[in-house]
Amino acid sequence: DAGVTQSPTHLIKTRGQHVTLRCSPISGHKSVSWYQQVLGQGPQFIFQYYEKEERGRGNFPDRFSARQFPNYSSELNVNALLLGDSALYLCASSLVVSPLHFGNGTRLTVT
Amino acid sequence: DQQVKQNSPSLSVQEGRISILNCDYTNSMFDYFLWYKKYPAEGPTFLISISSIKDKNEDGRFTVFLNKSAKHLSLHIVPSQPGDSAVYFCAASYDNNAGNMLTFGGGTRLMVKP
Repeated sequence: DAGVTQSPTHLIKTRGQHVTLRCSPISGHKSVSWYQQVLGQGPQFIFQYYEKEERGRGNFPDRFSARQFPNYSSELNVNALLLGDSALYLCASSLVVSPLHFGNGTRLTVT
Repeated sequence: DQQVKQNSPSLSVQEGRISILNCDYTNSMFDYFLWYKKYPAEGPTFLISISSIKDKNEDGRFTVFLNKSAKHLSLHIVPSQPGDSAVYFCAASYDNNAGNMLTFGGGTRLMVKP
């Protein structure tokens, strides 16, 4: 079975631009979460979606938004990019109550 | 304010010996704890978890210990193997999220020498 897939794997954007990251969960997983991992730190929770509804939101500005589609895939959108948004963005999927299964992430570089 | 801390950024162990990775937390609301392993260019992989109603959980070479009074957990790997070399993250959740909406520590890089 395919694991969590994320696209693109790498991305370079300029300050002020907008970015959309995509995630496909493991088949059968209805919950998708997004995490940001800055170099040298642990992942930080951004959003969790379950059955297309937001279940939780971390301490991130409104420039960050997400949504989940009927097929349970998800998008993370970041507007007005800042240099500090450069990070590895991780998507994870899970059953209702189970450990998270992470994808390999999207490496975003903002110049 | 870091609610989950891993105070050792790195740890070096000889193959066959025990690796002990430590984690401290400050939020007494946490009720579920997990350990993840991360290789370069890959996402974190779930290793083992423990609920706050237990003080020990074992899975093969991996054992997690939880000391609630000290707000401390540790991961023991016995025996350590070179393939265990990776960054290890402890994580915690609460409100019966059981592994969702995780708060991660900063990670400990484990190097197992042959």
